[in-house]
Amino acid sequence: DVKVTQSSRYLVKRTGEKVFLECVQDMDHENMFWYRQDPGLGLRLIYFSYDVKMKEKGDIPEGYSVSREKKERFSLILESASTNQTSMYLCASSLGTLNPYEQYFGPGTRLTVT
Amino acid sequence: GQNIDQPTEMTATEGAIVQINCTYQTSGFNGLFWYQQHAGEAPTFLSYNVLDGLEEKGRFSSFLSRSKGYSYLLLKELQMKDSASYLCAVKGAGNNRKLIWGLGTSLAVNP
Repeated sequence: DVKVTQSSRYLVKRTGEKVFLECVQDMDHENMFWYRQDPGLGLRLIYFSYDVKMKEKGDIPEGYSVSREKKERFSLILESASTNQTSMYLCASSLGTLNPYEQYFGPGTRLTVT
Repeated sequence: GQNIDQPTEMTATEGAIVQINCTYQTSGFNGLFWYQQHAGEAPTFLSYNVLDGLEEKGRFSSFLSRSKGYSYLLLKELQMKDSASYLCAVKGAGNNRKLIWGLGTSLAVNP
């Protein structure tokens, strides 16, 4: 079974703090994704990575950065957290590049910025 | 632009059949996914269609018509545990690793 884990289920941070969200997958997947999910807005892609040290912006990258130093780990960084970044953050991974393999999701991190 | 439409909410009765529709307009098409998401949990993969027709998987079936830009998810013999949000997602053509996601349909199954 594919397993995608995220470092925290719940996180509370203060405005202006630097926040790190970690995601690890154990199935040697090439692709990893970071989404945020908000009521009425659905899943929105922040960044994704298709290889170590490779990244591409998603639909809403502003205020975020990512790091992928190892194939199994994909980190999302909030450089200076703001209240509008309060959300559920979901990490996902998928196998392959050209083939549309399904994405496997981690349990999510509910981040509150106060 | 690229767009996926699903009904926001649906209600059904335990033991019944429900059909959740999804229409899409995307630049290119390379497959459509259905995911299930229970409240407070992560989405889990249900089905994938790339060719026209019906794919059956136990109580769940998914249908695709590429010419109409239309898919549906059919849930039979509904159970209370099927109460969840159902997300439709489309992969565009070419070397594009991203999925385009619908907002999801929240299904409530009542006894």
